[in-house]
Amino acid sequence: SAVISQKPSRDICQRGTSLTIQCQVDSQVTMMFWYRQQPGQSLTLIATANQGSEATYESGFVIDKFPISRPNLTFSTLTVSNMSPEDSSIYLCSVWSFNTQYFGPGTRLTVL
Amino acid sequence: GQQLNQSPQSMFIQEGEDVSMNCTSSSIFNTWLWYKQDPGEGPVLLIALYKAGELTSNGRLTAQFGITRKDSFLNISASIPSDVGIYFCAGQLGYGGATNKLIFGTGTLLAVQP
Repeated sequence: SAVISQKPSRDICQRGTSLTIQCQVDSQVTMMFWYRQQPGQSLTLIATANQGSEATYESGFVIDKFPISRPNLTFSTLTVSNMSPEDSSIYLCSVWSFNTQYFGPGTRLTVL
Repeated sequence: GQQLNQSPQSMFIQEGEDVSMNCTSSSIFNTWLWYKQDPGEGPVLLIALYKAGELTSNGRLTAQFGITRKDSFLNISASIPSDVGIYFCAGQLGYGGATNKLIFGTGTLLAVQP
């Protein structure tokens, strides 16, 4: 299995500001994933982050709004830029390990 | 994005009752995963299924990979209060590995009355 930690666990932000979420994994992984879970909803994939290359974004998500860094095989960041109340969600980091997908504890973001 | 149809949407049961939920898709999947999410937490993997017809147990939980590859179910026997949470199914179109995206179900909210 993989152990994933995220920082911060939660934050309350003002609209128009940006927040960077960190994800740390206890083992080296090729691909890391960022998901969004809006209140009362299921999980939606934002992007896939590969070390050494640009992240691949899903339909409806763009790099200017959700820039991602992947400096090494155990770490990634997701920035939520120019936030609005509609960005209030849980943001989850995820990795594959031994043919199974594991999730971090999530970052609960509230935008006022 | 694409989601799997999961039912029921919510369940309110008495402690000790058995629970059954299922997930269906119009597409064939080659991997099915079942997760539980507690309030304020990330999803935790319960059971992983990799073969059509496979029946796998994890304590009081049992899950099956449908023969058609288009469905899966999860049973919880003798429910207890800590079973409360949201249960998600997830299917993978490819044959495992990180290159194939997971598609998530809409979730089943389970409430257990002590």
